[in-house]
Amino acid sequence: GENVEQHPSTLSVQEGDSAVIKCTYSDSASNYFPWYKQELGKGPQLIIDIRSNVGEKKDQRIAVTLNKTAKHFSLHITETQPEDSAVYFCAAFRTTSGTYKYIFGTGTRLKVLA
Amino acid sequence: NAGVMQNPRHLVRRRGQEARLRCSPMKGHSHVYWYRQLPEEGLKFMVYLQKENIIDESGMPKERFSAEFPKEGPSILRIQQVVRGDSAAYFCASSPFLGEAFFGQGTRLTVV
Repeated sequence: GENVEQHPSTLSVQEGDSAVIKCTYSDSASNYFPWYKQELGKGPQLIIDIRSNVGEKKDQRIAVTLNKTAKHFSLHITETQPEDSAVYFCAAFRTTSGTYKYIFGTGTRLKVLA
Repeated sequence: NAGVMQNPRHLVRRRGQEARLRCSPMKGHSHVYWYRQLPEEGLKFMVYLQKENIIDESGMPKERFSAEFPKEGPSILRIQQVVRGDSAAYFCASSPFLGEAFFGQGTRLTVV
């Protein structure tokens, strides 16, 4: 069945250090992988995404990498700041025929310590 | 460009009442997803709708829950005869066809 595993569930880093969150998906037909940041009491906010024809994408301090063969994708945040503290969710989506839904990972609670 | 609008933000219902949650998608978006989130947990898919069509409702309980996305107006998630276990945050997201999905701020339903 469709499944996205996300690790770690919690992550604490010192301000200025890097944070890495990893996800593994099961549906080989998935071809779009967004990452969302959710702050307390708010809805998930799309922060970066990657499509299966790309191996890496970067936007300022955040980057996402994708290994299609291993069905892994990761979020990298460099030079972390206290405002990066939030819950981060990865998701996998297939845009070919069949199921049209985002399958989310279980989330990673990131704490950036000042 | 207004984002995805959900209302109400907070909803309190007594057991047995009906809860009606509304979602207005972003301008130009014709697809809506509903997700449910329990405290400290992830996002569980409920239903995916296109204007006037339910595309995938595999995550929605067969009883008491229904969803619609009419030609005009917002998408509605309806929960009949609510029970305490329905208490959760309900999020909707909208997208153009097969495009990026953007979430609303959610409706927090409390059943007392």
